[in-house]
Amino acid sequence: DTGVSQNPRHKITKRGQNVTFRCDPISEHNRLYWYRQTLGQGPEFLTYFQNEAQLEKSRLLSDRFSAERPKGSFSTLEIQRTEQGDSAMYLCASSFPGGQYNEQFFGPGTRLTVL
Amino acid sequence: AQSVTQPDIHITVSEGASLELRCNYSYGATPYLFWYVQSPGQGLQLLLKYFSGDTLVQGIKGFEAEFKRSQSSFNLRKPSVHWSDAAEYFCAVLNTGFQKLVFGTGTRLLVSP
Repeated sequence: DTGVSQNPRHKITKRGQNVTFRCDPISEHNRLYWYRQTLGQGPEFLTYFQNEAQLEKSRLLSDRFSAERPKGSFSTLEIQRTEQGDSAMYLCASSFPGGQYNEQFFGPGTRLTVL
Repeated sequence: AQSVTQPDIHITVSEGASLELRCNYSYGATPYLFWYVQSPGQGLQLLLKYFSGDTLVQGIKGFEAEFKRSQSSFNLRKPSVHWSDAAEYFCAVLNTGFQKLVFGTGTRLLVSP
């Protein structure tokens, strides 16, 4: 296990379709994060899991977005009824439960293009 | 709320020259600060981090950063830039709940021959 993996790496979809992304964190990490990065911007926090519990959600995460981490391992991020404004890079990160040293390790991201 | 400002959108540096990327943060207590690098189409790689102690921190790839509380700054430096350093650099602060990173808008580094 060499790092955080994300699939697919690229996704092109038509407006109105649903998409789902997967993130596999580093195996011993119990915290998992989703961020969104639009062109020319820094990543913005979307949501965060500790084990299987979703503990925080950004207001950026509209009703069309849902994230799960059913067994506290991998996570999925689903976007329903995609809009062109959802086009972005979706980044996943994980961290070790090491108290204050919350170093987050990022995956390569999934680039979503909504036509 | 925490925030990070990276005032330079683009910086061009000649190969072999020194580099300094600016980062200013807004935070009520002692911040936990990070610098990440992102190559085109890739995720983020951690260069270095500051939590406490020595205000000059060393990172990977020959980078260092200095925490200056009086200036609310955490500037990234490298004494001699290599062409492979061309990338986007993000400064980030960890929020009060220790659960999420707040990023700046990034600085794109171009390296000229």
